[in-house]
Amino acid sequence: TQLLEQSPQFLSIQEGENLTVYCNSSSVFSSLQWYRQEPGEGPVLLVTVVTGGEVKKLKRLTFQFGDARKDSSLHITAAQPGDTGLYLCAGLNYDYKLSFGAGTTVTVRA
Amino acid sequence: DAGVTQSPTHLIKTRGQHVTLRCSPISGHKSVSWYQQVLGQGPQFIFQYYEKEERGRGNFPDRFSARQFPNYSSELNVNALLLGDSALYLCASSPHLRDEQFFGPGTRLTVL
Repeated sequence: TQLLEQSPQFLSIQEGENLTVYCNSSSVFSSLQWYRQEPGEGPVLLVTVVTGGEVKKLKRLTFQFGDARKDSSLHITAAQPGDTGLYLCAGLNYDYKLSFGAGTTVTVRA
Repeated sequence: DAGVTQSPTHLIKTRGQHVTLRCSPISGHKSVSWYQQVLGQGPQFIFQYYEKEERGRGNFPDRFSARQFPNYSSELNVNALLLGDSALYLCASSPHLRDEQFFGPGTRLTVL
């Protein structure tokens, strides 16, 4: 059972379009992390958000942590084929354990 | 610097057998965690070790065990393999418990 619910499960868009992935939970986390995973590889950390309401930008990616520290979103502007992958959110519990969502598979068509 | 390394890359076993997976953390990292990722799902936490002591265990049966060695490398052992144990097993390391975790490429285990 995933503590974190991600939506949508699958997303297929055309190059240049924008997309948003959501990560929701009923639990409060000390921090929330977003990872991207390529087939056959381990997840690669994109960003960590710690403070409620925090917004972080990484080039065309914008990450937001909810005020109550239970939810987060990832927004990609002008998506490129290189953005294709599995996006995972993970909440760090106060006992330092990571709980992952099921992931959102993003496909950007050229 | 080398990242987290795992061996073997792929493994095929039959039901009832035993398997040992290995992980070498990033140099200087003292914490190692293990995760199981079944196809189509996110990683599920199995174990966390810090300074050779178990610091956390996920909801997995006693067939799963692990240990961390003085050089901070780690092994994950699974006994009496079931078909449902087929998954990508990921190892992650961090300098300390509260720090960001860096993942290895995983070991793909197939149980026939």
